[in-house]
Amino acid sequence: KQEVTQIPAALSVPEGENLVLNCSFTDSAIYNLQWFRQDPGKGLTSLLLIQSSQREQTSGRLNASLDKSSGRSTLYIAASQPGDSATYLCALPGRDDKIIFGKGTRLHILP
Amino acid sequence: NAGVTQTPKFRILKIGQSMTLQCTQDMNHNYMYWYRQDPGMGLKLIYYSVGAGITDKGEVPNGYNVSRSTTEDFPLRLELAAPSQTSVYFCASNEERGNTEAFFGQGTRLTVV
Repeated sequence: KQEVTQIPAALSVPEGENLVLNCSFTDSAIYNLQWFRQDPGKGLTSLLLIQSSQREQTSGRLNASLDKSSGRSTLYIAASQPGDSATYLCALPGRDDKIIFGKGTRLHILP
Repeated sequence: NAGVTQTPKFRILKIGQSMTLQCTQDMNHNYMYWYRQDPGMGLKLIYYSVGAGITDKGEVPNGYNVSRSTTEDFPLRLELAAPSQTSVYFCASNEERGNTEAFFGQGTRLTVV
């Protein structure tokens, strides 16, 4: 059974800093990994999708990496801004057709 | 390009009432999912479907029912609402299990009193 863990659960950093969010998973036989952003009281917005054959994916100030052998993915945010404050979730589709989510990292960028 | 549409956005139910949460997607996706998210918690899978006429239970199916008569629609039914079902419900869709992106609706905030 796939289990997804995100550490830390919460993170506060000053504006302008670079930061890394972590996602680990127990079953390395994955199809892809997706990072989402969720603002308070809102739905989920897809940020990046990494295919199982890829090592990383970039979108603007965001860079996501994938290391299947170690069961880890990281989301790197460069030059953080107050607007980046949100909860970030990683998700993986499993072999049983389900998409499994981590509990998320709640990020607060301090102005 | 509507994506995944959920209705209603908000609802207050009394204990024992029933309701159906609607979910429609216009992307011709085969896979659809229902999740619930309790305050400060992660998303828990209620039910999912891999195509019209096929549904299966997720982690927390008790108290809910689903149907998938068309590719586009995946309604979630609450038969006898209980306070424990107070939550935000999200519907999602995916073209296939493999190398495709999942899309989410904006959620339905349900309160059972």
